[in-house]
Amino acid sequence: DIQMTQSPSSLSASVGDRVTITCQASQDIGKYLSWYQQKPGKVPNLLIYDASTLETGVPSRFSGSGSGTHFSLTISSLQPEDVATYYCHHYNHLPPAFGQGTKLLIK
Amino acid sequence: QVQLMQSGAAVKKPGSSVRVSCKASGETFNNYIVAWVRQAPGQGLEWMGRISPVIEASNFAPKFGGRLTITADSHTKTIFLELSSLTSEDTAIYYCATEGKGRFLQYLLAWGQGTLVTVSS
Repeated sequence: DIQMTQSPSSLSASVGDRVTITCQASQDIGKYLSWYQQKPGKVPNLLIYDASTLETGVPSRFSGSGSGTHFSLTISSLQPEDVATYYCHHYNHLPPAFGQGTKLLIK
Repeated sequence: QVQLMQSGAAVKKPGSSVRVSCKASGETFNNYIVAWVRQAPGQGLEWMGRISPVIEASNFAPKFGGRLTITADSHTKTIFLELSSLTSEDTAIYYCATEGKGRFLQYLLAWGQGTLVTVSS
């Protein structure tokens, strides 16, 4: 099975900062990587799929990049409402798997 | 887009089974594959399995062995997850979610509200 490793596990940044979260797959997964945002006590919400395609309605400050085994999620200008845990998720083949999550806080 | 409504919270004894339902509304039910994901308290997301209602084919994460069953009732547009031989480690919020279209395996597009299952003696 493919293992997904996110880093960092948590980070704290200031409003307006550029924030990057990385996700590494243990095998080549092509472009089949999605990112989810889960705010405290809420349901996960799809942000990006196919590594870099922004889901409809997601603010343009979110972007994704990468292919193969290395991927990243970037928030270009951090907003207070971005406080959440972010998960990567591969769906290249069965079984799909999530990263362990990155908890994002505001300084 | 499909909307998903899950059954309410459940408290179960160790060794028993739990059945969680996920009712779809909106677009044609059979157009979507539905997956189940769980989240233990304070932990991350864990993919459990999925079903294609139209062909009634399912796939499961190996760790669940024969404990996990996923079924679909096309008449009522409802997906069921059943997990047996429960232990305290199965205490979690269980989510159903639809996959995007266009490929055998896809990202998770729309999520149910979650169902808390507590396993306690």
